[in-house]
Amino acid sequence: AQKVTQAQTEISVVEKEDVTLDCVYETRDTTYYLFWYKQPPSGELVFLIRRNSFDEQNEISGRYSWNFQKSTSSFNFTITASQVVDSAVYFCALSDLDGSSNTGKLIFGQGTTLQVKP
Amino acid sequence: NAGVTQTPKFQVLKTGQSMTLQCAQDMNHEYMSWYRQDPGMGLRLIHYSVGAGITDQGEVPNGYNVSRSTTEDFPLRLLSAAPSQTSVYFCASSYATGSHGELFFGEGSRLTVL
Repeated sequence: AQKVTQAQTEISVVEKEDVTLDCVYETRDTTYYLFWYKQPPSGELVFLIRRNSFDEQNEISGRYSWNFQKSTSSFNFTITASQVVDSAVYFCALSDLDGSSNTGKLIFGQGTTLQVKP
Repeated sequence: NAGVTQTPKFQVLKTGQSMTLQCAQDMNHEYMSWYRQDPGMGLRLIHYSVGAGITDQGEVPNGYNVSRSTTEDFPLRLLSAAPSQTSVYFCASSYATGSHGELFFGEGSRLTVL
């Protein structure tokens, strides 16, 4: 069954600390896509990154970096030098391709609430 | 560019009442979906549509109906509201091909059922 697990329910750090949000997934698809979304206190969902199953290169965007490891079915997200504005709920998600067609369906993890204290 | 627009943003219902959450997108996206967000459970798919005239059930469809008469609109109907449907509802859309699930979300609708 398709599943995404974010075992960390809440994380609290002090500003400037590095923090890693864990994401483990299960899928029957050989081709799939993984995503991270951010939900700040205002409530909207903001797309952060998409990664396909054939590309295991790590990605860095400013203070954000992502580590995709197929061998461990993980797609972890690291924030370097965290800031108060990073405080949000972060969701990891997996595409549900339902047999190869792109249905656009995503399976979300439970979310990790990150609190960055000044 | 409005993107995905949901109305209303807040709603309080009594048990047994019915209502419709409206969702409209102006990006000509083929794919649209409704999710509900509950504490500790992430977002769960209620219904989705891959194009006008086509809808299908997601993970938690019971108690909800949808229709897709146009590409732009995808309303979600609660037939007889129950307290278990108290939640935040998100409508989302994406291109049917190419974006592979990069969803554009509305701002959410917070529903309370008393």
